[in-house]
Amino acid sequence: DAGVIQSPRHEVTEMGQEVTLRCKPISGHNSLFWYRQTMMRGLELLIYFNNNVPIDDSGMPEDRFSAKMPNASFSTLKIQPSEPRDSAVYFCASSSPRQPYGYTFGSGTRLTVV
Amino acid sequence: KNEVEQSPQNLTAQEGEFITINCSYSVGISALHWLQQHPGGGIVSLFMLSSGKKKHGRLIATINIQEKHSSLHITASHPRDSAVYICAAFLNYGGSQGNLIFGKGTKLSVKP
Repeated sequence: DAGVIQSPRHEVTEMGQEVTLRCKPISGHNSLFWYRQTMMRGLELLIYFNNNVPIDDSGMPEDRFSAKMPNASFSTLKIQPSEPRDSAVYFCASSSPRQPYGYTFGSGTRLTVV
Repeated sequence: KNEVEQSPQNLTAQEGEFITINCSYSVGISALHWLQQHPGGGIVSLFMLSSGKKKHGRLIATINIQEKHSSLHITASHPRDSAVYICAAFLNYGGSQGNLIFGKGTKLSVKP
């Protein structure tokens, strides 16, 4: 099992550009989560999906952020337009109720908006 | 006041010492999650527990729902245990994984 796969690992973009982060969850996991980590705020849940359906997006900071999960094996987090304050590490995680240790996290995408 | 508080914020120990990291929460939860974040940034899920105690190798996690407190213990600590340990509280639990509130983390450094 390759685990949760995120791409890209690093992204540097100019303010105002569109950024798309990608996540492939572990096969068979029915829940997917997007988190953001910054020095100031620590880890924050942005949105989570259950069976491909968005359940809670109250953590999404504003309308510039959107997330989709078109199928069980793929999700995207899009920021349009990006701003310097969006610079953070974005983690994707997936889980199954049968998983004993909780979530499996991806390696994260380090986003820098200049 | 944060809904999930961890202590200490930073911890330095000598190799072999017994280590305790504490997590207190003020909200009603159904489960608590302990995470480990390595210096390289990767996050590993250690435990998810809703009552009692769980053990995995040298790691032990306990939770007291009535007192709204959880502890993570590391026995015979080793420099490779150096990491940030984060506790997170599930507001609900089950088939629909609910919202998660994170503590700020405890940075552990184990010296050889």
